[in-house]
Amino acid sequence: GQQLNQSPQSMFIQEGEDVSMNCTSSSIFNTWLWYKQDPGEGPVLLIALYKAGELTSNGRLTAQFGITRKDSFLNISASIPSDVGIYFCAGSGAGSYQLTFGKGTKLSVIP
Amino acid sequence: GAGVSQSPSNKVTEKGKDVELRCDPISGHTALYWYRQSLGQGLEFLIYFQGNSAPDKSGLPSDRFSAERTGGSVSTLTIQRTQQEDSAVYLCASSRQGQRETQYFGPGTRLLVL
Repeated sequence: GQQLNQSPQSMFIQEGEDVSMNCTSSSIFNTWLWYKQDPGEGPVLLIALYKAGELTSNGRLTAQFGITRKDSFLNISASIPSDVGIYFCAGSGAGSYQLTFGKGTKLSVIP
Repeated sequence: GAGVSQSPSNKVTEKGKDVELRCDPISGHTALYWYRQSLGQGLEFLIYFQGNSAPDKSGLPSDRFSAERTGGSVSTLTIQRTQQEDSAVYLCASSRQGQRETQYFGPGTRLLVL
């Protein structure tokens, strides 16, 4: 089945620093999604990408759909304490509604 | 409400008991999904409902798990004869017609089987 490798597994950064995380897939995806999950909450959709090469921003967040359709990255600029949480990538193949999720990147921001 | 809601938020049960988990999708969303998230893990697909079509149950881990969706809206996930390995967070998501991949999640139900 499809597998997603998400890295890094965890990050400790200073407030104000930029952050980058990425996901790679063993197969081609048609959609890439990035979610953030706070403790005790469900995942919240941050950015959705639908076309290869697409670069989309949401405030301080920027995500790209890799041109090979097998990878995506998420950047967070000028991190703040409320950025703390677990970030998940997810993707789906052609005509599929089933999302495959990465195992998450746990972000800690040191004030 | 504006988002997906789930109840209860937490459930503690004894091994062997049945549990029912409820999901109210976003109004107007035609697709509904159940996922399971074990501690420190990503999300595992369980079941998918789309309108009046037969559900995709391919992710259900055993025949102790079942789900129904009444009137194309509210869904109930039932786990019979619960086992300790069923302990997890059960997440529900919904999506619009034509954007099945873009799923919006509820807060989850945290199930603990003792």
